[in-house]
Amino acid sequence: AQTVTQSQPEMSVQEAETVTLSCTYDTSENNYYLFWYKQPPSRQMILVIRQEAYKQQNATENRFSVNFQKAAKSFSLKISDSQLGDTAMYFCAFIATSGTYKYIFGTGTRLKVLA
Amino acid sequence: SAVISQKPSRDICQRGTSLTIQCQVDSQVTMMFWYRQQPGQSLTLIATANQGSEATYESGFVIDKFPISRPNLTFSTLTVSNMSPEDSSIYLCSSQQGLGGVINEQFFGPGTRLTVL
Repeated sequence: AQTVTQSQPEMSVQEAETVTLSCTYDTSENNYYLFWYKQPPSRQMILVIRQEAYKQQNATENRFSVNFQKAAKSFSLKISDSQLGDTAMYFCAFIATSGTYKYIFGTGTRLKVLA
Repeated sequence: SAVISQKPSRDICQRGTSLTIQCQVDSQVTMMFWYRQQPGQSLTLIATANQGSEATYESGFVIDKFPISRPNLTFSTLTVSNMSPEDSSIYLCSSQQGLGGVINEQFFGPGTRLTVL
């Protein structure tokens, strides 16, 4: 069975600084996708970034980038130039390309950006 | 991307009653899912809503308690039946396209905050 672990329940960062959120996963699958979602106090889940396991290049979306280490089963999210609007819960999610297409979510990291 | 709306956005209900939550997607999608989220916690999958057939429930969730309908490719409902205070939670629906092994991301509705007194 697949599992996703986020070992940092809470983090804080000063505005304009850089922060890295960690995520590790366990799977025997070779083909899968990984995602980071953001959930601000409004409750709306927003996709931040996605990574296909077959791609060696790390995904980047503006200030958000990932460090994908397939052998280590690690998928960390780096937020550069943190903004107050980045304050939210961040969830790491895994989905295998075979099987039921269901997401496996981590427990989340609550990030607070300080002014 | 898909835009998803949910109704109601929140409700306060009495013990023993039932509430039906509606989920509308602005385009046809292959799969729809229903989640429960306790405040400050992660999402727990309740079931996969299958168009034209019975929903597929996860361990710990049963059809009698959480009946689900999906009459077409853009709409689904989740009913929380015979509610108790333990059912107080946020309920989210999501949609996903998944065809031939190509995975697209899930898009989520804004959630329904349910409080049971």
